[in-house]
Amino acid sequence: GAVVSQHPSRVICKSGTSVKIECRSLDFQATTMFWYRQFPKQSLMLMATSNEGSKATYEQGVEKDKFLINHASLTLSTLTVTSAHPEDSSFYICSATGLATDTQYFGPGTRLTVL
Amino acid sequence: RKEVEQDPGPFNVPEGATVAFNCTYSNSASQSFFWYRQDCRKEPKLLMSVYSSGNEDGRFTAQLNRASQYISLLIRDSKLSDSATYLCVVNMGKFSGGYNKLIFGAGTRLAVHP
Repeated sequence: GAVVSQHPSRVICKSGTSVKIECRSLDFQATTMFWYRQFPKQSLMLMATSNEGSKATYEQGVEKDKFLINHASLTLSTLTVTSAHPEDSSFYICSATGLATDTQYFGPGTRLTVL
Repeated sequence: RKEVEQDPGPFNVPEGATVAFNCTYSNSASQSFFWYRQDCRKEPKLLMSVYSSGNEDGRFTAQLNRASQYISLLIRDSKLSDSATYLCVVNMGKFSGGYNKLIFGAGTRLAVHP
């Protein structure tokens, strides 16, 4: 149980385009979803947290207009990287928690490369 | 100062060796502590929680010293399959949104060779 999926697993795009990443909880209702970013040889950094039906809470230094987060249902959250630039190239990982547990279950990650 | 600090390694050890990783955290209000394992280009996976009394799971032993704000992980009888990056993770407790915030260390890389 407690499986989280992400799609796509890998995406390559041109600079200036927008990319949408989906995070789904497959077998539980995710009341809270988290979006992290990890640059090579660095730690996971929390970008934002979203509760179903509410606006996301962004960490300091993360541009909310650039990283659009939607958590429209209890099983789906999306992260859209708008007007992507090469410096946005990174490993984006989501996680989710449900009503019954505080444990965060991680998705497999999405590797974004912006050319 | 980073909130969670780890020696980046790499630790290169032969099979069967015992290896120890250390981690320090800066916020004394931290609530709970974990070790995660992350394989190359994969998501982190929970290895074990860390308790003040010390806890063991097979070849893995974790220890927490709240007074020193120090966490350790000991791996005995290393296997090739233990090669990975080990992340020290601190739970900062409930935030206003009702969720627990995790702070990740940058990880310590372990390479076990034959």
